[in-house]
Amino acid sequence: AQKVTQAQTEISVVEKEDVTLDCVYETRDTTYYLFWYKQPPSGELVFLIRRNSFDEQNEISGRYSWNFQKSTSSFNFTITASQVVDSAVYFCALYQLRRHIQGAQKLVFGQGTRLTINP
Amino acid sequence: DAEITQSPRHKITETGRQVTLACHQTWNHNNMFWYRQDLGHGLRLIHYSYGVQDTNKGEVSDGYSVSRSNTEDLPLTLESAASSQTSVYFCASSEGPGQLKQYFGPGTRLTVT
Repeated sequence: AQKVTQAQTEISVVEKEDVTLDCVYETRDTTYYLFWYKQPPSGELVFLIRRNSFDEQNEISGRYSWNFQKSTSSFNFTITASQVVDSAVYFCALYQLRRHIQGAQKLVFGQGTRLTINP
Repeated sequence: DAEITQSPRHKITETGRQVTLACHQTWNHNNMFWYRQDLGHGLRLIHYSYGVQDTNKGEVSDGYSVSRSNTEDLPLTLESAASSQTSVYFCASSEGPGQLKQYFGPGTRLTVT
């Protein structure tokens, strides 16, 4: 079965600090996708990134970066020079592509990490 | 612009009543999903549909039903609302197997008293 674990329930840092959100996943499939979503206080879910299982290149987008390591089944998210506007709940999610795999073609979410950036 | 909407945004109902939450998307996406969000659990899948007349149970489907009579809508029905179903409900859609980005609605906050 597929599972996503975000062990950090809450993180609080001071503005301008770097912060890393951990995500560990479990899957039996070799073809899958990993996602990060942001949920700001307003409540909507905002897509941040998608990474497929065959692409282990790290990605950087402005102050955001993602470290995908298949060897440790992790897909960690780092915010550099954090800002108050980064305060939100962040969800990691796993998506198995193959229809014949039980549970495939559905997003499975981690429990979420509540990030608070203090001024 | 294409979008996904949910109604109502807030609902208070009594235990035992039937409640229907609406989800409407204008992207013409085949795949639609219903999730509930509770503290400590993240988002959990309730039901999903890969197309018209197709519905499937997710991990927390007990007490809920859906129907898909057209591409645009996937209403979620609570047959007999229970206090354990107090939650925030999100609808989502995606174009198909090759299009993995799910677009989420704004959410419906349901309180069962």
